[in-house]
Amino acid sequence: DAKTTQPPSMDCAEGRAANLPCNHSTISGNEYVYWYRQIHSQGPQYIIHGLKNNETNEMASLIITEDRKSSTLILPHATLRDTAVYYCIVNRGGSNYKLTFGKGTLLTVNP
Amino acid sequence: ETGVTQTPRHLVMGMTNKKSLKCEQHLGHNAMYWYKQSAKKPLELMFVYNFKEQTENNSVPSRFSPECPNSSHLFLHLHTLQPEDSALYLCASSQGNGDLDEQYFGPGTRLTVT
Repeated sequence: DAKTTQPPSMDCAEGRAANLPCNHSTISGNEYVYWYRQIHSQGPQYIIHGLKNNETNEMASLIITEDRKSSTLILPHATLRDTAVYYCIVNRGGSNYKLTFGKGTLLTVNP
Repeated sequence: ETGVTQTPRHLVMGMTNKKSLKCEQHLGHNAMYWYKQSAKKPLELMFVYNFKEQTENNSVPSRFSPECPNSSHLFLHLHTLQPEDSALYLCASSQGNGDLDEQYFGPGTRLTVT
């Protein structure tokens, strides 16, 4: 599976959009981009995934560049409860058993 | 509430003890997983079960012994652990049909080996 690179930490003001970047320059054509987050002392939580089109659900939006070498997770109106470590994971559809978590980005939402 | 429960939430055990961690999922999933999260380290996949069959053992020491009696329950039997085995142990489940198979995690068991 392709390796991902994320900034170790980011800050965001409450109510503003949080934009979390992820680089996956070695992604292959059949690999999806997944995002999970882990709030302190809890298990990880699935957020969203995509292949090449932009995706949106009730939690977030995922913007994938045309060359698929990077993506951005957008939390449109961050709240204090969105403070968590966010993981960007690249994985082949059909072999999701092997989610490989990196260090992720610690997003701190400030009041 | 993710539909995946784990007990106990906290466990302290000595190196000579034998204990078991339990995971139960109420989502009708067919795949279950054990992960280990040590302090300041990424989550590490330990075991995968799909339709009660073990499909992945990520070079885990034999002092960790998984058991999956049915698709809803997963156990991790622990014996003669070492202090470095202290970690958060997370259970997850998924549909098990492979494609686009997001995982649902339990809250974890915080294990301390003394």
